[in-house]
Formats: sequence, structure tokens, C-alpha cells
Amino acid sequence: AAGVIQSPRHLIKEKRETATLKCYPIPRHDTVYWYQQGPGQDPQFLISFYEKMQSDKGSIPDRFSAQQFSDYHSELNMSSLELGDSALYFCASSVPGEPEGTQYFGPGTRLLVL
Amino acid sequence: KNEVEQSPQNLTAQEGEFITINCSYSVGISALHWLQQHPGGGIVSLFMLSSGKKKHGRLIATINIQEKHSSLHITASHPRDSAVYICAASPGGGADGLTFGKGTHLIIQP
Repeated sequence: AAGVIQSPRHLIKEKRETATLKCYPIPRHDTVYWYQQGPGQDPQFLISFYEKMQSDKGSIPDRFSAQQFSDYHSELNMSSLELGDSALYFCASSVPGEPEGTQYFGPGTRLLVL
Repeated sequence: KNEVEQSPQNLTAQEGEFITINCSYSVGISALHWLQQHPGGGIVSLFMLSSGKKKHGRLIATINIQEKHSSLHITASHPRDSAVYICAASPGGGADGLTFGKGTHLIIQP
């Protein structure tokens, strides 16, 4: 069965650079969530999109922006990268109204900022 | 204070033992999720509960809405069950993000 795809899987950037992470939800899933998990930390919710509109906002820094496109894939844009942005970034997708409402997680993008 | 609390933080047990991991939450929720994260990072959704009890193989999850408490049980534990188990609360309907507990590091020794 198709799963959530994230790219790239690994990314190394330097301070003050920009990065773009991509998430491709499971086919027919119209909701995408982004989470950040720092080293040794529990995941923190960043932002979510439903039908290409921002749905909920968590602890996303102002330096980050995200959007969902017409094919439902989503991109997380990160600018002026800081050392503290080094983390594992998860994307999840779900279908609102699905009886279970389960979020299906991608494998994550591991970002290292040097 | 984290709105989702898990216990224990760390648990080491012998193969075959019955495992229980507990989760308490202080916010109103629409659903409670149990997730599994293996070394290397991948997160797998095990259960989503809004009431009662669910069973999948050797895993059982229960929730008591009145007491704001959920438990994850593993029967006949096996070394491959070694992972971090995370409880996460979904505060409302729609596309609300999850609030995660800090996870329980489970090690099952042969």
C-alpha cells in the first residue's frame, strides 16, 4: 500500500541558508500535518493543511512557511536556518471524516544545520 | 507542564512479560493515539481511540474518558517490541495537530 513520502530523507545545510522539505500524502488524503522532533525531544506540531488551506498552527517559527498544493502535496520552507533547527521533520496525512481519523506518518526528513 | 503525561519513561523487561504503559492527559480530546517509534526515527500509528478498547495482535489499548487515562498493553512481549511508545492527544476534530507525550522507552531482553 502507498505510504506518505517525504523528500529529501536527509539534508545538511549551513546556518542562515534555506531549506525546502516536501511531503506527498497517501493518495486521496487531503490533510497534511508537519511535526518537528529535536534530538531527544518529543515531536512538536508545526502546522496543518486541509484542502490546500491552513487548518491549524502550532509552534512553527516565523522563519518557516508552508503550503499545500493542488495535488495535495505540501512543502515546508525554512529560511535563515539556525543550529537549533536541526531535527527530524515528520509529515503525516489523514482523511477528515474517515471513521478512524488516523494520521499516517512519513519516514521523516533529518535536517542537520552546521 | 506537558498536557500529556506518560509512565514509565523507561521500561526494561524480559521476553514474554506482560507490559503496560500508561498515559494521562489534562485536556479535552477527540481521540487518543498510540504511536511506535523505532530507533532511526520512523513513527507508526498503532491505535486511535475515542472510547473503550481496541486489540491488534498482541497489542491492546484502552481508554477511560472520564478519568482521562489510557493504557497500552503488550502481551507475550518480544525483543522486536523494543521501541519508544508515544501517547498523543488529538484535541479536536478536523485537522488539529497532535500533542505528544514524552514517550516510553521499552527494551525487551531475550
